[in-house]
Amino acid sequence: DAGVTQSPTHLIKTRGQQVTLRCSPKSGHDTVSWYQQALGQGPQFIFQYYEEEERQRGNFPDRFSGHQFPNYSSELNVNALLLGDSALYLCASSRVQGYEQYFGPGTRLTVT
Amino acid sequence: KNQVEQSPQSLIILEGKNCTLQCNYTVSPFSNLRWYKQDTGRGPVSLTIMTFSENTKSNGRYTATLDADTKQSSLHITASQLSDSASYICVVSRPGTASKLTFGTGTRLQVTL
Repeated sequence: DAGVTQSPTHLIKTRGQQVTLRCSPKSGHDTVSWYQQALGQGPQFIFQYYEEEERQRGNFPDRFSGHQFPNYSSELNVNALLLGDSALYLCASSRVQGYEQYFGPGTRLTVT
Repeated sequence: KNQVEQSPQSLIILEGKNCTLQCNYTVSPFSNLRWYKQDTGRGPVSLTIMTFSENTKSNGRYTATLDADTKQSSLHITASQLSDSASYICVVSRPGTASKLTFGTGTRLQVTL
């Protein structure tokens, strides 16, 4: 049983560009949450998707958007990249209303 | 404001020694508290989850305690190994969906020979 998978592992982008990160949830999970983790900090909640809709959102600008597909996989899109967007982006999956979240290995985004 | 504070910020111990990491929180209402282990550049891996009615939970050499009255938790690592070198993050959840988590900034543990 595969756990949460994310792609790509690493990514380097230039300021102003756009990026798409991908996540496949653990088998049996239908809810996907995205987090941003700056170096030396704890993860910050970006948003959560369930039934292909954004259900909850943290304190992130509209440049951060997402999507969930019928197979429960999800994408995180970031437009107009800033240097401060450089971070480890984590995806976590769970059953709806379940309290056990499983994290993926993360995507390391570097903006130059 | 809902906060989770961890101490120490970093810790260096010799292999084979025990150590205890601390977590204080002000999150309210409280649903559960989790400890995660995070290797550098990797996603967090769950070690323990405790609800308010549980005051201790073990996972191998890891033992977590919870005092919901004082809003404090600790993670005790016994007979440390080099592979225990990682960041340990305390996460407190409010009732509701799994997204309502407040993360601590973690304790960076280094186990040396």
